[in-house]
Amino acid sequence: EDQVTQSPEALRLQEGESSSLNCSYTVSGLRGLFWYRQDPGKGPEFLFTLYSAGEEKEKERLKATLTKKESFLHITAPKPEDSATYLCAVHRRNYGGSQGNLIFGKGTKLSVKP
Amino acid sequence: GAVVSQHPSWVICKSGTSVKIECRSLDFQATTMFWYRQFPKQSLMLMATSNEGSKATYEQGVEKDKFLINHASLTLSTLTVTSAHPEDSSFYICSARPPGLPGETQYFGPGTRLLVL
Repeated sequence: EDQVTQSPEALRLQEGESSSLNCSYTVSGLRGLFWYRQDPGKGPEFLFTLYSAGEEKEKERLKATLTKKESFLHITAPKPEDSATYLCAVHRRNYGGSQGNLIFGKGTKLSVKP
Repeated sequence: GAVVSQHPSWVICKSGTSVKIECRSLDFQATTMFWYRQFPKQSLMLMATSNEGSKATYEQGVEKDKFLINHASLTLSTLTVTSAHPEDSSFYICSARPPGLPGETQYFGPGTRLLVL
């Protein structure tokens, strides 16, 4: 069964303390991997799309990387405003399965303390 | 660009009543919109794909007669929860794919919190 697993479930960092979030996936034919940020009570905000192993994308303090089995979201010198839940989603090659075309992980809740 | 709005942002209703949620793409036309549901500490789960001018495609386990979807125009999709029950209480989020972006890039609305008493 196709699935997406994110770890850790929650992460607490001090301001300036760099770390990484993990997204492991098993899908039958990856068409793309997406990272979103979700603030409490809000819809997800698009961050990155990665398509092939070895690809990297950067945006401010965030950097996303992709291998054949997992993706990492690296956060460099985080600030309190980076606190949010970060969601990973994968797009499978063959739409029509019971889980739909985008499969989401449960997310990692990041808290950055000043 | 690529702004998606939802209305209302939250709603409280009595068990047995129906609730309509609107999803609008504000600055682009979307032939396809998606409806998701998110329970606390759970993943976003796709409920259905809304297609302008045709019937929605529902995911396995989602009752199409209970969750009515209408995609009346290229900028508006509605989700009606009919005869709502407390177990329908959840966070409902819509998304749309702006034209010109690669793959499955979706932009999400702010969500609608539904509480059924």
